[in-house]
Amino acid sequence: AQSVTQPDIHITVSEGASLELRCNYSYGATPYLFWYVQSPGQGLQLLLKYFSGDTLVQGIKGFEAEFKRSQSSFNLRKPSVHWSDAAEYFCAVGNTGGFKTIFGAGTRLFVKA
Amino acid sequence: DAGVIQSPRHEVTEMGQEVTLRCKPISGHDYLFWYRQTMMRGLELLIYFNNNVPIDDSGMPEDRFSAKMPNASFSTLKIQPSEPRDSAVYFCASSYSGTGAGTQYFGPGTRLLVL
Repeated sequence: AQSVTQPDIHITVSEGASLELRCNYSYGATPYLFWYVQSPGQGLQLLLKYFSGDTLVQGIKGFEAEFKRSQSSFNLRKPSVHWSDAAEYFCAVGNTGGFKTIFGAGTRLFVKA
Repeated sequence: DAGVIQSPRHEVTEMGQEVTLRCKPISGHDYLFWYRQTMMRGLELLIYFNNNVPIDDSGMPEDRFSAKMPNASFSTLKIQPSEPRDSAVYFCASSYSGTGAGTQYFGPGTRLLVL
């Protein structure tokens, strides 16, 4: 069965600082991996996804993530955080084809001036 | 495209009442998902459909919950009877298999409060 762990419930970073959000997954086959972002009162929006090819994936809003099979990780990074990045971030793993998707508990990002 | 449309956006009801949540997926999408989000349990997949057929309903909490998709442009999630522990935000999402790797487009959610 699929599972996702996001070890950090919340993270606070200063505006302009770099960001890394951690994600570990469990899945028996090649995983489909996703990062979504949720702003308050909104639905989720896809930031990026990985299912094959280059293990470093570029997404929207300047985010990137790296798939590391040996560590079962798919960490999200951004070199310089903006105040508008404050939101909740969800890592997710999908089954083959990517359609049955299990979400992590989320990491809430706070950005301080 | 208008995106995934959910109605109502907010619902307040009393315990024991029937609640119906509605979803219109993005036109052309062949997958539809229902999720429930709470502080305690996070985002849970309740059920998903492919071409209007339920594929996996293992996340539906109990018999009080039912979901239907009578056609490609409409789905409902019904709770009967409702209980206070059903209070949550319910999201509908849709996806198109043709683009591969299951990007899901989420609606704005229905915030349900059962008193």
